[in-house]
Amino acid sequence: GQSLEQPSEVTAVEGAIVQINCTYQTSGFYGLSWYQQHDGGAPTFLSYNALDGLEETGRFSSFLSRSDSYGYLLLQELQMKDSASYFCAVRNMNSGYSTLTFGKGTMLLVSP
Amino acid sequence: EAQVTQNPRYLITVTGKKLTVTCSQNMNHEYMSWYRQDPGLGLRQIYYSMNVEVTDKGDVPEGYKVSRKEKRNFPLILESPSPNQTSLYFCASSPGMTDTQYFGPGTRLTVL
Repeated sequence: GQSLEQPSEVTAVEGAIVQINCTYQTSGFYGLSWYQQHDGGAPTFLSYNALDGLEETGRFSSFLSRSDSYGYLLLQELQMKDSASYFCAVRNMNSGYSTLTFGKGTMLLVSP
Repeated sequence: EAQVTQNPRYLITVTGKKLTVTCSQNMNHEYMSWYRQDPGLGLRQIYYSMNVEVTDKGDVPEGYKVSRKEKRNFPLILESPSPNQTSLYFCASSPGMTDTQYFGPGTRLTVL
């Protein structure tokens, strides 16, 4: 089966930089995604890595190392509105079928 | 406006009373899926569908049924709901099975 590990909670102050790590164990790895979810709302897509390296999208960046089964989400210039839960999710491909398995989520609390 | 809609948004029901949660998308996406979200467990995939009349089990399919008779609709059916199915349910769609998923607003279900 698949398993993902990410910290349950991270705190930071406005303007700071924070990194949320994700390690995974899976078969048929295809890519790693990150989603943001504000309290009870719909998850929204942030970033996707299929290959090793860094992907940058504005204040958010995501990194993947396939050999280490590890990735992280980097949030820069933190704002209060970034307080939310962040989920890493592994896309698997096996026998032509694809599933998306989510981690349990990291709650980010940004304080003034 | 491109969107995924779910109905109802909130539902309180009793054990054993069959219910259906509807999901519809207007983006002509081929891939649709259902997730449940429980505190501390993240999002877990219930069922997914790669196209009309093609569905498969996710990680937690027990107690649920789905159908995909039209491309835009992917209803979730609970034939005999039980209290352990009390959860927040999300429908999602994507152009293909490896693409970014777009989530609906969620359905909060309580089974008494």
